[in-house]
Amino acid sequence: AQSVSQHNHHVILSEAASLELGCNYSYGGTVNLFWYVQYPGQHLQLLLKYFSGDPLVKGIKGFEAEFIKSKFSFNLRKPSVQWSDTAEYFCAVRKYGGSQGNLIFGKGTKLSVKP
Amino acid sequence: DAGVTQSPTHLIKTRGQQVTLRCSPKSGHDTVSWYQQALGQGPQFIFQYYEEEERQRGNFPDRFSGHQFPNYSSELNVNALLLGDSALYLCASSETWGTEAFFGQGTRLTVV
Repeated sequence: AQSVSQHNHHVILSEAASLELGCNYSYGGTVNLFWYVQYPGQHLQLLLKYFSGDPLVKGIKGFEAEFIKSKFSFNLRKPSVQWSDTAEYFCAVRKYGGSQGNLIFGKGTKLSVKP
Repeated sequence: DAGVTQSPTHLIKTRGQQVTLRCSPKSGHDTVSWYQQALGQGPQFIFQYYEEEERQRGNFPDRFSGHQFPNYSSELNVNALLLGDSALYLCASSETWGTEAFFGQGTRLTVV
C-alpha cells in the first residue's frame, strides 16, 4: 500500500533560519506530489504541487520543493522562515491519473518559528 | 466566492449514536471527498462523491456512508459511533479534472 513518511514531527527554528522538511513516499509508479499547510485555526491550504517537468517546484510564500525520483522524496524548503510560517505542514501523494480526492497524507510536521 | 463550508464546526455525540456532517463545495466544483484526521495524524481518505455516486472509497467500515445532492453538496453519515471515531472530519472539493483539492475547516467530532 502507498504510504508517505514525514521524518520530523516537530521542528523549532528561529526567524531567518533555513527550513527543510523531509517527505518520502512508497509508491513505485508515477505520482503527483503536494505540500499542504495548516495555519492555526485555519483550513488546509495548498503550498505547491508537482505533476511533471522541472523537479524544482516553487510555491506560495517563498516555499519550494524538489522532487527526486530516485529517492522517492519531495522535500520542502524555505531559505528564511518567518514567525508567520508557524503551522503544520503535510506532504501528500496521489497516484498519477487518480482522482483528485484520493490523496495519501503523511502525519505532518509541526513548525514553530521563534521571533 | 465562498470556499468549502462545513457544518457544524463542533459536535459531541455518545457512543452508539449516529451523526451527519455536511459540506458545501467551492463554487464550480462537482467532486467532494471526505477525510478523517485523528489527533496527531494526517488526513485519511474516507470516500469521494461525483455525480451523486460514491466513486472511490478508502479503508473505512460500512458504518461510514455518504450522499451527494444535485447541487453537489454532500453529507457524511457515521452510524454506531465508537470512541475511536473522535476526529476532525474534513471535506475537500475539486473540479472533475482539476489539479487541486480545496479543503474546508472541518467538523470536530467528539464521541463520549
